[in-house]
Amino acid sequence: RKEVEQDPGPFNVPEGATVAFNCTYSNSASQSFFWYRQDCRKEPKLLMSVYSSGNEDGRFTAQLNRASQYISLLIRDSKLSDSATYLCVVKGDNSWGKLQFGAGTQVVVTP
Amino acid sequence: DAGVTQSPTHLIKTRGQQVTLRCSPKSGHDTVSWYQQALGQGPQFIFQYYEEEERQRGNFPDRFSGHQFPNYSSELNVNALLLGDSALYLCASSLASGVSDTQYFGPGTRLTVL
Repeated sequence: RKEVEQDPGPFNVPEGATVAFNCTYSNSASQSFFWYRQDCRKEPKLLMSVYSSGNEDGRFTAQLNRASQYISLLIRDSKLSDSATYLCVVKGDNSWGKLQFGAGTQVVVTP
Repeated sequence: DAGVTQSPTHLIKTRGQQVTLRCSPKSGHDTVSWYQQALGQGPQFIFQYYEEEERQRGNFPDRFSGHQFPNYSSELNVNALLLGDSALYLCASSLASGVSDTQYFGPGTRLTVL
């Protein structure tokens, strides 16, 4: 079983609509959680950290469910520029742990 | 504020050759991590350097080695290249003692092994 699993998509979303997707992680001792965004053939860029209480950054909302070991990302009012691959990232159980990446969920926003 | 830089951007090698990739961390960062990203996959952790020592290593063979210099820049060396080593190699920098240990990625080096 992979340590971080994501639905690869693609999620085809009309402009202005809402899209949500999850990822699951296997290590219950994981301490930090992130969503990174990666455009085609570019480097991953941090979209947002994910906190236990859930957090929002503009049109983006992230949730963490430690009991069920999943993380979610919701994008409201989708823009064409939101088209990208969204990488779910989990950091290990030590203070300087490696990042464990999922394979990514592709989102395609259409006009 | 200079971000993470990597060189070269692209590289073509043949099987059996050796390659060295370079990374300069974001200004003020002291920790460098290397990742390999194959097509259609998420980045896979190779190793992390801090204070010029390898601090943690992923599941990569000894053909993959690295180094960190006193100025915090780093090199990734891969010996005896295989076709399967073709990938995007990403360097990420962070600050070990900072409030946030967020890792920031460079643009990567795309390695093709023929």
